[in-house]
Amino acid sequence: DTGVSQDPRHKITKRGQNVTFRCDPISEHNRLYWYRQTLGQGPEFLTYFQNEAQLEKSRLLSDRFSAERPKGSFSTLEIQRTEQGDSAMYLCASSLLTGLWKGANVLTFGAGSRLTVL
Amino acid sequence: KQEVTQIPAALSVPEGENLVLNCSFTDSAIYNLQWFRQDPGKGLTSLLLIQSSQREQTSGRLNASLDKSSGRSTLYIAASQPGDSATYLCAGPDQAGTALIFGKGTTLSVSS
Repeated sequence: DTGVSQDPRHKITKRGQNVTFRCDPISEHNRLYWYRQTLGQGPEFLTYFQNEAQLEKSRLLSDRFSAERPKGSFSTLEIQRTEQGDSAMYLCASSLLTGLWKGANVLTFGAGSRLTVL
Repeated sequence: KQEVTQIPAALSVPEGENLVLNCSFTDSAIYNLQWFRQDPGKGLTSLLLIQSSQREQTSGRLNASLDKSSGRSTLYIAASQPGDSATYLCAGPDQAGTALIFGKGTTLSVSS
């Protein structure tokens, strides 16, 4: 397993277009997370999945954003009608949490997908 | 609500110096704390994870400590090298233990 893979690594689009990012987590991991990072800031949580169920969404995730994780494997993050403010690095992470001890929830991050909206 | 703060925002040191990066958090009922490294335009690489029952973790020239009572963690880098130049981020879980809450990071520059 080569870790968490994200595609594409860089996407340049015009305002108003739709874009989709894909994340392939570590194969045995049951949790998958999406984060957004803008310049000079730390990553901000967007949403996470436990297997195929989307269990939590941040208020940052406007109705133009939708995330899916069909069959509990890879995930996609789609942004509709992109705006210049959507320009950011979109990071995916995965983890394996099987017990109740939340301290065992250790996230592994991918290299990110950088979005530039012109 | 967990909040994470990192000081300083930027640090420049000559090669060979020992240095300390600081991280503070507001919720002392923290399950663990992670330190990450991020190179420009890249993703995050996990450096060290300290569980709430531990006080420190070491990996090579890196040593991270955790003091829950004071809400502080430090990352000590010994004998810094130009290759250590990067942004260092600390993160702790939110109160539900699901999402990680990150600080804004400390950008380190080590000159040769």
